[in-house]
Amino acid sequence: AQRVTQPEKLLSVFKGAPVELKCNYSYSGSPELFWYVQYSRQRLQLLLRHISRESIKGFTADLNKGETSFHLKKPFAQEEDSAMYYCALKLSGNTPLVFGKGTRLSVIA
Amino acid sequence: ETGVTQSPTHLIKTRGQQVTLRCSSQSGHNTVSWYQQALGQGPQFIFQYYREEENGRGNFPPRFSGLQFPNYSSELNVNALELDDSALYLCASSLTGSRNEQFFGPGTRLTVL
Repeated sequence: AQRVTQPEKLLSVFKGAPVELKCNYSYSGSPELFWYVQYSRQRLQLLLRHISRESIKGFTADLNKGETSFHLKKPFAQEEDSAMYYCALKLSGNTPLVFGKGTRLSVIA
Repeated sequence: ETGVTQSPTHLIKTRGQQVTLRCSSQSGHNTVSWYQQALGQGPQFIFQYYREEENGRGNFPPRFSGLQFPNYSSELNVNALELDDSALYLCASSLTGSRNEQFFGPGTRLTVL
């Protein structure tokens, strides 16, 4: 069965410091990987997906198939980045998302 | 374009009761997925509906059931409520054949006493 692991429940960083939210997955095939974000009092929304290879709000994530990781990175954290971040995996096609437990990012001014 | 809406926002039930949660999918979307998010956990897949048929199910007992209507809106029904059913229930809609991005509703917070 597919599994997504986010080892940190809470990550606190100072404004301007680099951020790395860790995500590891277990699946023998080629899944699609995503990062979802939930800001305070807002709904869960897609931040980025590995197939897009794009940077959203300064965040990037590289899929490392050898290490089965999809860590989320940002070089300089901003206060508005404070939110709950979920890493998720899905197989190809119309299949459901498998989520990790989430990491709460707190950016301190 | 209207986003995913869910009703009610909050609900309190007692053990053994039955509950129905509702979801209106985003305009043009034909697939609805339901997730349960317990406190401190990530969303967990319950089931998915495509063209009014169940199209995949997670590890949930049969007392969790659903419906999808011709307008692609959906219901989640839970019978014989248990205390552990207390959670945030999320609905997500998507369009099959596209990049399959799922758009989430705000959720329904269910409390079982």
